[in-house]
Amino acid sequence: AQRVTQPEKLLSVFKGAPVELKCNYSYSGSPELFWYVQYSRQRLQLLLRHISRESIKGFTADLNKGETSFHLKKPFAQEEDSAMYYCAPLNNNAGNMLTFGGGTRLMVKP
Amino acid sequence: SAVISQKPSRDICQRGTSLTIQCQVDSQVTMMFWYRQQPGQSLTLIATANQGSEATYESGFVIDKFPISRPNLTFSTLTVSNMSPEDSSIYLCSVRRDKTYEQYFGPGTRLTVT
Repeated sequence: AQRVTQPEKLLSVFKGAPVELKCNYSYSGSPELFWYVQYSRQRLQLLLRHISRESIKGFTADLNKGETSFHLKKPFAQEEDSAMYYCAPLNNNAGNMLTFGGGTRLMVKP
Repeated sequence: SAVISQKPSRDICQRGTSLTIQCQVDSQVTMMFWYRQQPGQSLTLIATANQGSEATYESGFVIDKFPISRPNLTFSTLTVSNMSPEDSSIYLCSVRRDKTYEQYFGPGTRLTVT
């Protein structure tokens, strides 16, 4: 079965520390992958997509097809990065629908 | 990006009643979706709202329980019928920009069923 896994429900780091939010997928082929973020009391919003290869708010994510991973990384976490992060592959075997991982809550402590 | 609004933002309803949630987009979009986010859980796709035809429901969701309308390319409604406490969730409208796979989300409707 195709699935996406975010193994950590909660990740707590101190300000200035590096952060890596893990995402593993089991989709066949070459899925498109996205990271979405939800800050407190705000709507879910697109953070970045792997195809664009951009760095957004200091975050990057590299698609590793060998490990079937799409981890989200930032070298120096900031308090304003505290939010809920969702990895979302596009399931191109099911009508190109986004499937969301369980989410990881990132807490950046001062 | 698209500007998406939802009404109501929240409601408390009694079991056995129905609630209709509206979603309005500021531009025409082909693909509109409805998601559910139960307390402490991730997002689950309920259905794709198709303009001019019946919605496409995901496994575990049926039209009798979640009827959807899509009268045009900027508007959709989701009705939660014959509600029970298990329907207490946040319901989210989402749209996909045409020619890309980027999706944008409304603010959500927080439903509590007592």
